[in-house]
Amino acid sequence: DAGVIQSPRHEVTEMGQEVTLRCKPISGHDYLFWYRQTMMRGLELLIYFNNNVPIDDSGMPEDRFSAKMPNASFSTLKIQPSEPRDSAVYFCASSLVGPGEKLFFGSGTQLSVL
Amino acid sequence: RKEVEQDPGPFNVPEGATVAFNCTYSNSASQSFFWYRQDCRKEPKLLMSVYSSGNEDGRFTAQLNRASQYISLLIRDSKLSDSATYLCVVPPSGGSYIPTFGRGTSLIVHP
Repeated sequence: DAGVIQSPRHEVTEMGQEVTLRCKPISGHDYLFWYRQTMMRGLELLIYFNNNVPIDDSGMPEDRFSAKMPNASFSTLKIQPSEPRDSAVYFCASSLVGPGEKLFFGSGTQLSVL
Repeated sequence: RKEVEQDPGPFNVPEGATVAFNCTYSNSASQSFFWYRQDCRKEPKLLMSVYSSGNEDGRFTAQLNRASQYISLLIRDSKLSDSATYLCVVPPSGGSYIPTFGRGTSLIVHP
């Protein structure tokens, strides 16, 4: 079975550019999460969706970040404009039951903003 | 107290050793807990759920101590392949539905 699929695996961009990260959750999973991981702050939840609807976006750092889930099999996280402090690993995860249940993570996107 | 705290380590142990990590939490109403394992440059993966009665899976044992508000992970007969970062996950506090990940404890098993 295919797990959570993220693309790209690595992204290097210059400050000010737009960055779009993509995620395909496991089929049948109703919950989708976007996390960011840095050495300083660990794993932080940015936003999560239930049945394609954003439920909690309180972790989104600022208006430069936006996330969408147009259908059950696809989500995007966009950063515009990007800044060097956005450099991190961004993980997408999905869950069958809910936020407090087993999460399946994608391989992550290593983002470097120069 | 922070919602969840872990000793970052690293715990440096020889093969065959027994090692234990703790994770303290602040929400006394928490019900379900998990341990995830994260290899270097990889995604976190669920290792074990932590039940009130404890949970054992081979060389791994997870325990919950509600009175002292911590969960533990015990690894017996450590293998080189156990080297990783172990993240605890505790249920949310207040009105949030979002569980909180700890910063992780690094384990290095050496020959």
